[in-house]
Amino acid sequence: GAVVSQHPSWVICKSGTSVKIECRSLDFQATTMFWYRQFPKQSLMLMATSNEGSKATYEQGVEKDKFLINHASLTLSTLTVTSAHPEDSSFYICSATGQGVWTQYFGPGTRLLVL
Amino acid sequence: GQQLNQSPQSMFIQEGEDVSMNCTSSSIFNTWLWYKQEPGEGPVLLIALYKAGELTSNGRLTAQFGITRKDSFLNISASIPSDVGIYFCAGQLPGNQFYFGTGTSLTVIP
Repeated sequence: GAVVSQHPSWVICKSGTSVKIECRSLDFQATTMFWYRQFPKQSLMLMATSNEGSKATYEQGVEKDKFLINHASLTLSTLTVTSAHPEDSSFYICSATGQGVWTQYFGPGTRLLVL
Repeated sequence: GQQLNQSPQSMFIQEGEDVSMNCTSSSIFNTWLWYKQEPGEGPVLLIALYKAGELTSNGRLTAQFGITRKDSFLNISASIPSDVGIYFCAGQLPGNQFYFGTGTSLTVIP
């Protein structure tokens, strides 16, 4: 099956700093990547959809200047949480789909803790 | 975004018992999927359903795509301790956009 990785798997940072999370498709070309956020005991909430080479489409209520998404290549998308605050602490999960991949495959997630 | 209604919210069952959970939506979906998520991990695909009325099995798991295309259920037969986790349904629209259910937390008591 299609394999998606995320890095880092967890990160702790101080309030006000920016954090970058990478999402990579390892064995297929990901034309579309999705970023989700999940709070404890809750479902996955879609934050944004990004297509390779174009600007991401953000879901209602998600600040695009706060959560910068870049999908510059067919195997890599990055999510940067700018000026992170404690309320941004969450589990961030990416998924990818593309040529020969009929549905979304998920990465293992990145746990962010902002102190 | 949309969220699908999933029930029950949680289940505590004895090992060996069968499990049933379902997912409903006010919207029609082209594809229904069922995922399992373990703590600290991303969701892993269990079963995918592509057309109304379809019944699909994967080992001890069986899922059905509702006739109205607005619902789906997942059954797990003869549960074992490693079935523990949170099960999510997801409806998929053209363009690969997903909407997830609220999740069912399953605890299996040995």
